[in-house]
Order: sequence, then C-alpha cells, then structure tokens
Amino acid sequence: QKEVEQDPGPLSVPEGAIVSLNCTYSNSAFQYFMWYRQYSRKGPELLMYTYSSGNKEDGRFTAQVDKSSKYISLFIRDSQPSDSATYLCAMSALDDKIIFGKGTRLHILP
Amino acid sequence: DADVTQTPRNRITKTGKRIMLECSQTKGHDRMYWYRQDPGLGLRLIYYSFDVKDINKGEISDGYSVSRQAQAKFSLSLESAIPNQTALYFCATSVRGGEQYFGPGTRLTVT
Repeated sequence: QKEVEQDPGPLSVPEGAIVSLNCTYSNSAFQYFMWYRQYSRKGPELLMYTYSSGNKEDGRFTAQVDKSSKYISLFIRDSQPSDSATYLCAMSALDDKIIFGKGTRLHILP
Repeated sequence: DADVTQTPRNRITKTGKRIMLECSQTKGHDRMYWYRQDPGLGLRLIYYSFDVKDINKGEISDGYSVSRQAQAKFSLSLESAIPNQTALYFCATSVRGGEQYFGPGTRLTVT
C-alpha cells in the first residue's frame, strides 16, 4: 500500500460549485498535513497547513483532517476558473521532510 | 525578485554528461530540498539539507549528488546523466518541514 493515495483526476466542475479533493494515507505517524496548489509550468505553492485532526478555514478554502480514518480533504467554495490547477496533498510525521500525493488535476469550467 | 531561483530553467544534455542545477534563496531559511517531478509519479525527494553542514539522502538519491555552498545556495549534480533522469526538478526552502517554498523549476532533458 502506498503511503499517500490521491486520485489523479482530472476533475471538472462548473464555476461556482463546491469542490472536494481528498487523500488517504497509511502511516499513522503523520501529524502535519498540507495542501499545495501547482499551476502549469510553475512550482507548487502552499495553500493550507494543519496539525493533527480538525478543520481549518482560509477564505474559500477549508482543510479537514480525520486521523481516525487516515483521510484528509480540501474543500473549495464558489470555485473560480483561476482555481484550475493541480492540487497536491502532503504529509509529515515530524515536520521535517514531507511525502506528497501525486496530485489531482482540477478544471473549473466557466 | 523571486525568493527562490533556479538556474538553468531549461537544459538539454546528452547521456553521460555531468550537469549541475543551481538553487539560490533570499528567504533566509536554513532548510533546502531538491525534488524531481515526473508525470504520474508526483514529487519525489532527492536530497535535503537542514543547514550548511547537514546533507541527507531522500527517496531517490542514486545517480545524484548535492553541495550546500552556503545557507542560500544548494546545488544538485548529475554525475553521468541518463535518459530516465529526464524530469522537472524543483528546489524548495523552509523554516519548518511542511511549509515549503518552491522555485520555478528546471526542465531537464537527457538525450
């Protein structure tokens, strides 16, 4: 079983819809959870950084961590065409090096 | 100016050649990382360094070496390039592990 599983997509949704992106993981030692966004031909940029379980909200973005199920989610409300990108989940046990998911390609249709 | 810069941005080289990719940062971070990104395989860690005297192998270090010349500079070398090292290479810096800042990437093609 891979340490971090993420559906590669592509995921296409209409503008204004709520987007749900997910990752599962197998290592129970992970306690730091991140979401990165990567536009085409650019480096990844950090969107959300959370520690342990629970929710974190930042504008239209909400990150959710369920450690009991080893499942993390990123929700995007009122999705915009500018949200079209690849979204990478990432995790760390000791906040040193991190393991990335393979990324989900998201297309927001105008 | 960008906080994390990588040179060159694009490079085509031949099998067997030695090549160096360079990374510089102005963020003042101690931690620096090198990753490669391949379609379908995601981002994989090659090497990382938590300070000038600290170098650690990542998931896929075979065929690569690194040098941390200063806090701000971290270079990646391919001693004898092979075609399966064709990929997009990213440098990143951080204060803490999860909050990483990436450079724009170097697209390397080995023919």
